[in-house]
Amino acid sequence: AQRVTQPEKLLSVFKGAPVELKCNYSYSGSPELFWYVQYSRQRLQLLLRHISRESIKGFTADLNKGETSFHLKKPFAQEEDSAMYYCAPSDKIIFGKGTRLHILP
Amino acid sequence: GAVVSQHPSWVICKSGTSVKIECRSLDFQATTMFWYRQFPKQSLMLMATSNEGSKATYEQGVEKDKFLINHASLTLSTLTVTSAHPEDSSFYICSARDVASYNSPLHFGNGTRLTVT
Repeated sequence: AQRVTQPEKLLSVFKGAPVELKCNYSYSGSPELFWYVQYSRQRLQLLLRHISRESIKGFTADLNKGETSFHLKKPFAQEEDSAMYYCAPSDKIIFGKGTRLHILP
Repeated sequence: GAVVSQHPSWVICKSGTSVKIECRSLDFQATTMFWYRQFPKQSLMLMATSNEGSKATYEQGVEKDKFLINHASLTLSTLTVTSAHPEDSSFYICSARDVASYNSPLHFGNGTRLTVT
């Protein structure tokens, strides 16, 4: 079945350390993938999409077809990065469990 | 950018009454909108897909007579929680996708916190 998996439920990282939130997919071809973020007491919002190949708030995500991954990365974590992160494909509207990123001071 | 407005942000009602939640796409059209329920510190759980001009599609385990969905226009979907009970207390979120944009991301409302007393 075509799906996206985030293996980590919780990720704790020290401020200033690199961050990598994992996302693996099992789609054939080239899926359109997004990363969404939900900060505390805020609405869920789009963080970035792979097709745009942009960096948002210091985060980047590259589609790796060989590893079938779309990991979200940031070289230096900031406290304001603490949030829930969801990796999702464009053709699905059902969200997985997501990964809670907790930045330690 | 595309904005989804959800109203009200919070509502308190008594058991047995009904509550209507509105979801509007402000600067784009959406033939399909989605309703989710979110429990504390958990992911969004899809309840139903709202289709403009036709019946909503409900996920397994969601009572269609309890959660009435109406999608009367390309910019408005409503969720009515009928005969609400305390166990219906939750955070309800809607989302929509711009029909004019291929493979566009979902845009989310700010959510509605429902408390049934």
